[in-house]
Amino acid sequence: AQSVTQLDSQVPVFEEAPVELRCNYSSSVSVYLFWYVQYPNQGLQLLLKYLSGSTLVESINGFEAEFNKSQTSFHLRKPSVHISDTAEYFCAVSGRNNFNKFYFGSGTKLNVKP
Amino acid sequence: KAGVTQTPRYLIKTRGQQVTLSCSPISGHRSVSWYQQTPGQGLQFLFEYFSETQRNKGNFPGRFSGRQFSNSRSEMNVSTLELGDSALYLCASSPVYQNTEAFFGQGTRLTVV
Repeated sequence: AQSVTQLDSQVPVFEEAPVELRCNYSSSVSVYLFWYVQYPNQGLQLLLKYLSGSTLVESINGFEAEFNKSQTSFHLRKPSVHISDTAEYFCAVSGRNNFNKFYFGSGTKLNVKP
Repeated sequence: KAGVTQTPRYLIKTRGQQVTLSCSPISGHRSVSWYQQTPGQGLQFLFEYFSETQRNKGNFPGRFSGRQFSNSRSEMNVSTLELGDSALYLCASSPVYQNTEAFFGQGTRLTVV
């Protein structure tokens, strides 16, 4: 089985400042890694994913995450946040042979202040 | 392309009753999975269906069940509702056999009173 730890339940940050949301995972098999974002009263939207290849993956709205196998981490970063980035972010992992079963972290609430 | 559609969006039920939630996946997607989201337990996997077959099941009691129809639409049923079943139930559909991406619906908010 897999598990995910998101160390920070809440991250307050000022607009235009950089931010890092931390994610560590545990798995005995190779994994796929994901970041999802959830706005209030909404479902989850995929932000970015790592399947294979380059360990640095980027989203269309400026977020990036780096897969670090030795540290079993997949931290999410953005160099300059906007008010509209305020949401809850979930890191997820899925074993490569575990069909469509995702294990989610407990979530990090990003609060961007003006 | 329409997204994942879950109905109803909101539901209030009484303890002891049963409830059925519906999920229509994105057209062409054959995998549907269900998750329960609560403030205390977070997002927990319930089960996953592919081509009408349950391939994976989470650690939930037998009161939670599901099925998938030939058109890939899925339903989940919870019998003998308990207060602790109050949650946001999310459905996700995936385009391929393996787990390279999941598209989520907006969820059904179930309140048990």
